[in-house]
Amino acid sequence: GENVEQHPSTLSVQEGDSAVIKCTYSDSASNYFPWYKQELGKRPQLIIDIRSNVGEKKDQRIAVTLNKTAKHFSLHITETQPEDSAVYFCAASLNAGKSTFGDGTTLTVKP
Amino acid sequence: SQTIHQWPATLVQPVGSPLSLECTVEGTSNPNLYWYRQAAGRGLQLLFYSVGIGQISSEVPQNLSASRPQDRQFILSSKKLLLSDSGFYLCAWSAGLGSPLHFGNGTRLTVT
Repeated sequence: GENVEQHPSTLSVQEGDSAVIKCTYSDSASNYFPWYKQELGKRPQLIIDIRSNVGEKKDQRIAVTLNKTAKHFSLHITETQPEDSAVYFCAASLNAGKSTFGDGTTLTVKP
Repeated sequence: SQTIHQWPATLVQPVGSPLSLECTVEGTSNPNLYWYRQAAGRGLQLLFYSVGIGQISSEVPQNLSASRPQDRQFILSSKKLLLSDSGFYLCAWSAGLGSPLHFGNGTRLTVT
């Protein structure tokens, strides 16, 4: 089955700096790659996604890049703010819409 | 708009007791439905998913089971809880392949 690895597990940045989280996946048939943000004690919520026919997608301060050949994708957050502090999960979707998740990255943005 | 309801929010159960968690979706038809479990400080593990009424796929061997008696209702059950069943259980729905997951608020289960 699909295996998703996510790095780093923790990331601490200064407010205003950029943050980058990277994921690799194993199954070349995966074609949908969402990113979720989970605040403490709450449910994960989609922040951005990318499909395999696209190399990059941007939404304000958030961007995702996909390298299908290398089977890795990354989340980029620019001009980080304290409210960006949360756990971020990447996922790869293969069949029936079911997603395999990475183990998460705890992002801390220091004011 | 679509909404997903999951209850209860918290549950404390003794070892060996039964479990029933319920999830319902409103505002959409024939959704894919999922049960995920999240251990403390860990990622999300897919337990079950369903593409239609009565169709359940299990992803990991365990003492839990799932049922989908109606199109927009998904139930997670156990006959006898184990300590290792403690965790944060999340129900989710999606419109299918290539669609994002929409999670419920979760149930924090503690087995004592």
